[in-house]
Amino acid sequence: EVQLVESGGGLVQPGGSQRLSCAASGFTFSSYAMSWVRQAPGEGLEWVSTFTISGGSTYYADSVKGRFTISRDRSKNTLYLQMNSLRAEDTAVYYCAKGMDGIGWYFDYWGQGTRVTVSS
Amino acid sequence: EIVMTQSPATLSVSPGERVTLSCRASQSVSSNLAWYQQKPGQAPRLLIYGASTRATGVPARFSGSGSGTEFTLTISSLQSEDFAIYYCQQYNNWLRTFGQGTKVEIK
Repeated sequence: EVQLVESGGGLVQPGGSQRLSCAASGFTFSSYAMSWVRQAPGEGLEWVSTFTISGGSTYYADSVKGRFTISRDRSKNTLYLQMNSLRAEDTAVYYCAKGMDGIGWYFDYWGQGTRVTVSS
Repeated sequence: EIVMTQSPATLSVSPGERVTLSCRASQSVSSNLAWYQQKPGQAPRLLIYGASTRATGVPARFSGSGSGTEFTLTISSLQSEDFAIYYCQQYNNWLRTFGQGTKVEIK
């Protein structure tokens, strides 16, 4: 059974940093692209970033480019999102999502999410 | 950025009714479109990809159609567990974008 368990959310001050983790199990982690998708309170879904398996290429939404960094540790089957220079508009539930292939165009499994609140 | 527009924003229906949700892209996305269902307090669930292919375990009452800029998700006979918010997502390029969602509520 595929499981994705996010952690690392919490309250952070504007301008601060936070690192999210996503522990994956139930599938061959190194064979699939992994992504982060967020959802602001009462809002829709916003794709944030994807880590592909093709050369470890990474992609970011314009709203987070230069501030967020996606990475993965194959030995730990874990995906990360390092978030720097956080802004109020980054407040959201952050979901870890598995791609159906190595590119990760769309997402067949999702974690339950971890909430990040950016506020002073 | 490709903008995805869903309509209507809210749909009030009775169980057993046929439901049609629309999703329009600001430019062609070919058949690179997925649909998700999200219930309150839960993560989204993949329903359809490739505009018309049902994901594993998705009931046959869900069907997707369309290509280019116009897409439709149809629920042939709405069940109680189908009341949720539905999102479309295009993946025609790296900047994946979602629609704003259509809420299907009980009439």
